[in-house]
Amino acid sequence: KAGVTQTPRYLIKTRGQQVTLSCSPISGHRSVSWYQQTPGQGLQFLFEYFSETQRNKGNFPGRFSGRQFSNSRSEMNVSTLELGDSALYLCASSMRTSGTGGELFFGEGSRLTVL
Amino acid sequence: AQTVTQSQPEMSVQEAETVTLSCTYDTSESDYYLFWYKQPPSRQMILVIRQEAYKQQNATENRFSVNFQKAAKSFSLKISDSQLGDAAMYFCAYSLLGGAQKLVFGQGTRLTINP
Repeated sequence: KAGVTQTPRYLIKTRGQQVTLSCSPISGHRSVSWYQQTPGQGLQFLFEYFSETQRNKGNFPGRFSGRQFSNSRSEMNVSTLELGDSALYLCASSMRTSGTGGELFFGEGSRLTVL
Repeated sequence: AQTVTQSQPEMSVQEAETVTLSCTYDTSESDYYLFWYKQPPSRQMILVIRQEAYKQQNATENRFSVNFQKAAKSFSLKISDSQLGDAAMYFCAYSLLGGAQKLVFGQGTRLTINP
C-alpha cells in the first residue's frame, strides 16, 4: 500500500508570493491533517480535514488555508508569504475511526524556503 | 492549553544498551492519548508506541516500552537493546480522545547510538 505522498518536496518562494502544497493520503484514509515543523517552534498543528470538511484548526493566521477533495487528497495554501513561513510542512493521514486515535501516517514533508 | 515538555534535547547511548527518554505533559483532561513518534533523518515520522490514559498497564512494543505515571503527568520511553537504526529525533505527543488527529508535540529529543 502506498504511503502518504506530498508534493512538491522542496520549493523556494519569495516574500509576498503564495504557495500550494499537495498531499495524497493512504488509500482508504479519509482524514488528512497538516503540521508545520520549524527549529524554533517545533511541530505545530495547522488543521485537519475529514470528508472534505475542516474538523480542527490550529492557531495560525488566516493566510494559512486548506481544503480536501472528494478523493481525500488535500491541499494547503499559504498566501502573502513571510520569512517565518519557512518550514517543513508535514501531512498526515489516518482512518479517524474509534479506537485508532493518534495513529497518524506521515508523509516526508514539503520543505518551503521563503527568501 | 495542553503542553508537552521534553527536557532532554539530546541523548546518546551505546549500541545494545538501554536508554530512557523523558516526557512530561500538562492537561486538565482525564481521557487522552500519549504517543512517542520517531523521525529518522529521512524525515518521515513513524509512530513508535501509544498509551491510552485510561489504561493503567504500560504499553510495550518489542524493545520499546513506556513508563506512564498519570498522577505525575509523566510519560517516558525506554528503548532496550539499542540499535543503530534507532538513531532519530523522538517526539512525545498528546491528544484528546475526541480530537485524535490534533497532536500536541514536545520539542523532541535527538537520540544518537554509538557503535
